[in-house]
Amino acid sequence: DAGVIQSPRHEVTEMGQEVTLRCKPISGHNSLFWYRQTMMRGLELLIYFNNNVPIDDSGMPEDRFSAKMPNASFSTLKIQPSEPRDSAVYFCASSLGAKDEQFFGPGTRLTVL
Amino acid sequence: DQQVKQNSPSLSVQEGRISILNCDYTNSMFDYFLWYKKYPAEGPTFLISISSIKDKNEDGRFTVFLNKSAKHLSLHIVPSQPGDSAVYFCAASAASGTYKYIFGTGTRLKVLA
Repeated sequence: DAGVIQSPRHEVTEMGQEVTLRCKPISGHNSLFWYRQTMMRGLELLIYFNNNVPIDDSGMPEDRFSAKMPNASFSTLKIQPSEPRDSAVYFCASSLGAKDEQFFGPGTRLTVL
Repeated sequence: DQQVKQNSPSLSVQEGRISILNCDYTNSMFDYFLWYKKYPAEGPTFLISISSIKDKNEDGRFTVFLNKSAKHLSLHIVPSQPGDSAVYFCAASAASGTYKYIFGTGTRLKVLA
C-alpha cells in the first residue's frame, strides 16, 4: 500500500515567488496534518484538517501561508510570497482519525534563495 | 519558547551498547508522550509511547521511562544496532489521544559498528 505521497521532494525558488506543496494522504484516512521542520524549532504543526475541513490553523505562521483540501485525496500548502526564512522541510501526515497514529510522508525540502 | 526540549543534538554509541536519548518538558499539563524515529529522506515514524499514568513502557529493545516530577523522559535502546542510526524526536500532548503533538528538535543517533 502506498503511504502518504508528497510532491515535489525538493523545491528551490527565489524570494517573492509562489510555492505550492502537494500531498496525497493514505486512502481512508480522514485526518490530514501539515508540519514544518527546522533545526531551531523541530517539528511544528501548521494546520490540521478533518474530513477535508480545516479544524486548527493556529500554527500557520503568517497570512502568506494558506492550505486547502478540496477532496479526501489531495491537499496543498501554498506560500505566497515566499521568503528565505521559509526554508525548511515540510511534512504532510495523515491518520484514520484525529486521535490515531499519524503517518508521515517523505517531506518536501524547500529552499528559498 | 520550546515546551519540549532535546538538549543533545547528537549522540554516538557503539554497536551492542545502550543508547539513552533524553527529553525534557515544561508544561505540566502534558500527559501523553511519544517517540518518533526519522531516517534521511523519509518522514518520521512512530516508535513508542507512554501515558502519564505509567513510568515505563517497553517494546522489544526500546524502553521509554517517564519521570513526572522531573518532567523528564528518556528512550533506552538495548542493544543498539547500526540500523538504529536515525534522528529521534520526542513529542508530548496535553490530552491522551489528541492530534496536537508538541515535538522537540530531535537527537541524531549514530550507532558505530
